[in-house]
Amino acid sequence: ETGVTQTPRHLVMGMTNKKSLKCEQHLGHNAMYWYKQSAKKPLELMFVYNFKEQTENNSVPSRFSPECPNSSHLFLHLHTLQPEDSALYLCASSELTRTAPEAFFGQGTRLTVV
Amino acid sequence: AQSVTQLDSHVSVSEGTPVLLRCNYSSSYSPSLFWYVQHPNKGLQLLLKYTSAATLVKGINGFEAEFKKSETSFHLTKPSAHMSDAAEYFCVVSDRDSGAGSYQLTFGKGTKLSVIP
Repeated sequence: ETGVTQTPRHLVMGMTNKKSLKCEQHLGHNAMYWYKQSAKKPLELMFVYNFKEQTENNSVPSRFSPECPNSSHLFLHLHTLQPEDSALYLCASSELTRTAPEAFFGQGTRLTVV
Repeated sequence: AQSVTQLDSHVSVSEGTPVLLRCNYSSSYSPSLFWYVQHPNKGLQLLLKYTSAATLVKGINGFEAEFKKSETSFHLTKPSAHMSDAAEYFCVVSDRDSGAGSYQLTFGKGTKLSVIP
């Protein structure tokens, strides 16, 4: 257990559905991240939040919409997804320090778009 | 810009024999380097990290890695493989993104380690 919890663990949704992924950390970290892990591809950074402010959006399509209401919670709102969006979505958190902090990862949400 | 190359997509070893997972990196700054492990259907767990202190870094479960600046390498080793080591391993480089003020993690494509009984 890393201290980062993601729900749900598995999600199957149709292309017209709207759903949300949730991430929660109680490690006192002030940076949170969404990553996408697809088969045979490197982990792709999607969004970064530092102190609840979005500081990075790596050209992610607008059908993915993040929300960070406080430094402990991070959401990824999904709508009108495509089958190629099926992947493992990983949330991570870290502490912003002077030296590079390690990221703590949740167990991921396995998303299947049908 | 930073990048990571994991030289082998799949490594297979016999139980009890040494493990070597290779990683080369490039970075504009003095990087920090990490190895993460991912077991099936699990998130990523930190094995070890290098942050400009000792070049030989010891991690959990008997793994260690050596930072070699001249070779831009950070290979992961273990003297004796165990069945429970079968997983996917990711080499990661991190340096500060001067624009965003945050640390950017760049992941390699991963090396899948199989351990044969």
